Formats: sequence, C-alpha cells, structure tokens
Amino acid sequence: ETGVTQSPTHLIKTRGQQVTLRCSSQSGHNTVSWYQQALGQGPQFIFQYYREEENGRGNFPPRFSGLQFPNYSSELNVNALELDDSALYLCASSGHGLAGYNEQFFGPGTRLTVL
Amino acid sequence: AQSVTQLDSQVPVFEEAPVELRCNYSSSVSVYLFWYVQYPNQGLQLLLKYLSGSTLVESINGFEAEFNKSQTSFHLRKPSVHISDTAEYFCAVIRYNQGGKLIFGQGTELSVKP
Repeated sequence: ETGVTQSPTHLIKTRGQQVTLRCSSQSGHNTVSWYQQALGQGPQFIFQYYREEENGRGNFPPRFSGLQFPNYSSELNVNALELDDSALYLCASSGHGLAGYNEQFFGPGTRLTVL
Repeated sequence: AQSVTQLDSQVPVFEEAPVELRCNYSSSVSVYLFWYVQYPNQGLQLLLKYLSGSTLVESINGFEAEFNKSQTSFHLRKPSVHISDTAEYFCAVIRYNQGGKLIFGQGTELSVKP
C-alpha cells in the first residue's frame, strides 16, 4: 500500500506566473484535501475534493482552484502568483464514509517559492 | 467560528524531563481533537486523536492528551522526552460532521536538549 505522494518537491516561480501541484492519494481513499502552510504557521485549509467535485472550501481567492481525477488523484492550480503564496502545500487523502470522521493522511508537501 | 490556540510557540526542555504543550480551542459546536507532529522537511503525522469516549488518549510513543470540555483544552504531555521528540507539534480540530476541514493552531516547536 503506497502512501500519499506529491510532486514536485520544490518549485520556484515568479510573481504573476501560474503553477500546478499534484497529489496521488493513498490506495482506497476517495477524498483529497489541500492545505497551505506558510513559514512558521499552522496549515490552513484550502479546499477538499470528493468524487471529482469540490466539497468544501476555505478562505482562499478563486485563483486557487483544483481538480480531482477518476483515480482520485488531484491537482492544485494557483494563477497570478503572489509573493505571499510562498508556502509548503500539503495534500491529505482520506476515505469518505458515514461516520463523520475519516482520518487524513498527509503527503510530504511541495515547497513553493515565489520570487 | 472555530479557532485553535497553542499557548507556547517554543518549548525548550532537557532530555528525560517532562513536557506539556498547551492547546485551547473555541467552538460553538462539538469537535474532534487532534495532535499532529511535523519533523523537519516532512509532512504531518497524526500523533493522537480524541473522537469520543475516554477523555485521556495515548500515543504509541509515550505521549498523552486529555480532553477537558469545561476548559476547552486538549493539552499534550509526555513524562520523559527524548532527543528524537524534537519537532513541531500542531493541535487541530474538526467540527462534527465536517470531516474535511482540519483547523490548526500555530504550532509549538519542541526542542529537546541533551
């Protein structure tokens, strides 16, 4: 059973550019959540995808968008990059059942630097 | 709105000493509670969680946390720390029936010195 993987591990972009980050969920998981962790801060929820649909969104502007594919992998896209977008982006996968809680398993993250 | 406050940004401690990392939360509804650990240049690992039942929960590596509903706290403790416990620790909550949105505190850097 493979865990959550993310690519790339590091990325450097300039202001105004666009970036795509990728996440492969753990085997058997159908839900992916994305978090942004700025330096010295706790992670902040960006959005969640379940069965290829957005299923909850945090306080992030529309230039943050996502996709989930039929194999449950996911992409995070950020347009018009700003300096404040520099952060560690974490992906977490989980099941989605009726119990109300499904443990989220985190990937190692993608470190994005915006110059 | 929910929020999580970790009262100490940094906690230095000597090896084999006890440690407590404090966490308070505010929420108008019931929540699930978590502690995550993050080692340098790594993602988050779940350390322990409180969903229901006994208010004292334990991890496999000697940490424990106690849910105190009246004080809205979920402090993390370990009676004797090791050098390898040096890491960033995050307290987090999820609202009941909102399984996706983890709300994290700002983190506490635990630094264990020999």
